[in-house]
Amino acid sequence: AQTVTQSQPEMSVQEAETVTLSCTYDTSESDYYLFWYKQPPSRQMILVIRQEAYKQQNATENRFSVNFQKAAKSFSLKISDSQLGDAAMYFCAYRILFNAGGTSYGKLTFGQGTILTVHP
Amino acid sequence: DAGVIQSPRHEVTEMGQEVTLRCKPISGHDYLFWYRQTMMRGLELLIYFNNNVPIDDSGMPEDRFSAKMPNASFSTLKIQPSEPRDSAVYFCASSWGGANVLTFGAGSRLTVL
Repeated sequence: AQTVTQSQPEMSVQEAETVTLSCTYDTSESDYYLFWYKQPPSRQMILVIRQEAYKQQNATENRFSVNFQKAAKSFSLKISDSQLGDAAMYFCAYRILFNAGGTSYGKLTFGQGTILTVHP
Repeated sequence: DAGVIQSPRHEVTEMGQEVTLRCKPISGHDYLFWYRQTMMRGLELLIYFNNNVPIDDSGMPEDRFSAKMPNASFSTLKIQPSEPRDSAVYFCASSWGGANVLTFGAGSRLTVL
């Protein structure tokens, strides 16, 4: 079974500083996708960034970037120049494309989440 | 595009009552997911469908929970009878294809007294 682990229940950062959120996952599959979602107090789930496992280049989206280490099964999120609006719960997620048994294709599994606080 | 639409946004009911949550996915999306979010258990996948067919329902807690997708534009999650421990926010999400981003609805907050 695929699992996603976020080892940091809470993190904090000063405004304008950089913070990195950790995520590891466990899988035996080679084709999959990784995501970071943000959930502000409004509880709306918002996509932050997406990474295809077959791509070696790390995805970037403005102030957000990832460090994808496929061999280590690690997928961390770096937020640069943190802003007050970045304060939220952040979820790492793994989506399988196909699996050997063909029983869980397209399944999206989330980690436990990391609460990020941004101090002015 | 109106996005994924869930109803009701809030539901307060008494233990033992039947609860039905509804979801309208984005038109053209072929995957639909139901998640439950609580403080204790985080985001749990309950069930998901592909082309209206349930693919994995291993996350459904027990027989009191059931989900249907009678057509590509509508899904329901039913709890009968409801219990206080079912209190949570229930999210519906949809995507086109097995690799693409999920778009989430605003969630339905259920409180069972």
